[in-house]
Amino acid sequence: KNEVEQSPQNLTAQEGEFITINCSYSVGISALHWLQQHPGGGIVSLFMLSSGKKKHGRLIATINIQEKHSSLHITASHPRDSAVYICAAAMYSGGGADGLTFGKGTHLIIQP
Amino acid sequence: DSGVTQTPKHLITATGQRVTLRCSPRSGDLSVYWYQQSLDQGLQFLIQYYNGEERAKGNILERFSAQQFPDLHSELNLSSLELGDSALYFCASSVGIGGNEQFFGPGTRLTVL
Repeated sequence: KNEVEQSPQNLTAQEGEFITINCSYSVGISALHWLQQHPGGGIVSLFMLSSGKKKHGRLIATINIQEKHSSLHITASHPRDSAVYICAAAMYSGGGADGLTFGKGTHLIIQP
Repeated sequence: DSGVTQTPKHLITATGQRVTLRCSPRSGDLSVYWYQQSLDQGLQFLIQYYNGEERAKGNILERFSAQQFPDLHSELNLSSLELGDSALYFCASSVGIGGNEQFFGPGTRLTVL
């Protein structure tokens, strides 16, 4: 069974700060997903990665397969980035299917 | 807007009852996943369907069942409801059977009284 650990659980920062959220997992995975959940409850997929690094706007996600670790970075943070960020590990089961195992989430607040 | 739709948005019912949650995937997506988000357990994977067939099972209770229809929409049936079943239920869709980005619907908030 895969365990997914995220840190920190809560993070409050000032606008403009560089943000890092970490995620580690216990067994080999097929991919690592980063999700964003706003107070209204909706979940948005930010990244899916299986190696290396991906960038989208001010968001960067990296993964180190050997160390079973991924990070999500936010550059020039803004109050609209305030949300819960969730990492989730995808493991292939029989026939290639992959339900996600989720971390508990990081509650990020960016103050103006 | 992810393109995944879920109905209803909110559902309030009593213990012992049965409810059906509905999900329509994005156009072209063949996989549908169901997830439960509760305060104590967080997000949990329940079940995945691909092109009408069940492909992966997670922490789905025996009181819960799901199916995917020929038009690819999916339904999650919850029966003999208990207070602890109160949660947000999300479905997500993806184009393939695995290794693809998943797009989440807005969720159905179920309250069992």
